[in-house]
Amino acid sequence: DGGITQSPKYLFRKEGQNVTLSCEQNLNHDAMYWYRQDPGQGLRLIYYSQIVNDFQKGDIAEGYSVSREKKESFPLTVTSAQKNPTAFYLCASSIEASLGSRELFFGEGSRLTVL
Amino acid sequence: AQKVTQAQTEISVVEKEDVTLDCVYETRDTTYYLFWYKQPPSGELVFLIRRNSFDEQNEISGRYSWNFQKSTSSFNFTITASQVVDSAVYFCALTTWRNYGGSQGNLIFGKGTKLSVKP
Repeated sequence: DGGITQSPKYLFRKEGQNVTLSCEQNLNHDAMYWYRQDPGQGLRLIYYSQIVNDFQKGDIAEGYSVSREKKESFPLTVTSAQKNPTAFYLCASSIEASLGSRELFFGEGSRLTVL
Repeated sequence: AQKVTQAQTEISVVEKEDVTLDCVYETRDTTYYLFWYKQPPSGELVFLIRRNSFDEQNEISGRYSWNFQKSTSSFNFTITASQVVDSAVYFCALTTWRNYGGSQGNLIFGKGTKLSVKP
């Protein structure tokens, strides 16, 4: 079945450690996104990529990094510079880069807890 | 500024009741899109509907209906004869074509309304 796969589903990290969240899609979508969700909050955009080997910062990119070496993959690294990394992270994709008009397809998320 | 307000944090109803989730938006743009997404306990967001600013027709899809009123900047969502499977967090979102200092075309989400449908 086509869809977006995020792993791991749950992740625990000690302070000062970097951690990478995986996001893979087999929908042949051009655009991919990373969102952060905090309890009782909406989603906030971290990074997005409209095409392979290109990505742009979202509203809360500080302390995060991404890469887009393959169309189907968009991993997110949460670095030690991220001051409050405990959150639920959602990866999404859309058929094309014109975010304004196309719906997003989401993965099931990764819950990161910093100990 | 662009903003989406979902004033109802949590709603609890009994099965078969009708329920309306409110969404009020703010934007200076005349061209924009509004969305509703459902987030079940499994975590992923599921797309429900997209509406552009030039189409004010209300829409019905099974037990779901949406009321878009530009005069009040609202895009409300009604579930008729609610079921336990409707229990989820529902998000309203807005996007425009302009860059207001954030990412161009970025989806602005409301904080969500948690709907609990009890049997």
